Amino acid sequence: QLQLQESGPGLVKPSETLSLTCTVSAGSIRSNNYYWGWIRQPPGKGLEWIGSMYYSGTTYYNPSLKSRVTISVDTSKNQFSLKVSSVTAADTAVYYCVLSFSGYDFGYWGQGTLVTVSS
Amino acid sequence: SSELTQDPAMSVALGQTVRITCQGDSLRSYYASWYQQKPGQAPVLVIYGKNNRPSGIPDRFSGSTSGNTASLTITGAQAEDEADYYCNSRDSSGNHLVVFGGGTKLTVL
Repeated sequence: QLQLQESGPGLVKPSETLSLTCTVSAGSIRSNNYYWGWIRQPPGKGLEWIGSMYYSGTTYYNPSLKSRVTISVDTSKNQFSLKVSSVTAADTAVYYCVLSFSGYDFGYWGQGTLVTVSS
Repeated sequence: SSELTQDPAMSVALGQTVRITCQGDSLRSYYASWYQQKPGQAPVLVIYGKNNRPSGIPDRFSGSTSGNTASLTITGAQAEDEADYYCNSRDSSGNHLVVFGGGTKLTVL
């Protein structure tokens, strides 16, 4: 059973860059037709899609975040990563790494990791 | 981009049927997916495509679409179905973007 696990700092200072990694187990990040992505959820609020990367390397980002977000893959470590630059308190959220076979129905989720932006 | 609209809250009596809806222009072109999220847990996909359930999802969950409205129906709601439910779909722009609804908090009475 494919599993995803997020890791990274739980506290980031305003204006700095948030960096998270998702480790994939029981499956290859090189598998054809997979979309690897990130979704976040501010405390007490709904889900927000951040962006996705197709197995070919093509990336798709939420237009509202596109200027600050980068998703990348490290195939040697079977991991993919998220960077969000110039963070503010509004970026405080639980961040989930996800997998989709279609690009938008996310059948696999990590457990989520809370990232707080505060000085 | 496009938006998906859900009722913020609904309730259903134990054992009864409830329909949770999701409205948006993108649903005229793409199917909605539905997620169940319980407090402190990651969302779980319960319906995708025309009306498909991932392995392990009870058959009391079903999905349908009419025009710009997608529906998640729970037939014979159980106490464990009390949760937040989110819909999402592909953005109608055709640029592989994804949109989520605001979520519906379902209470089982």
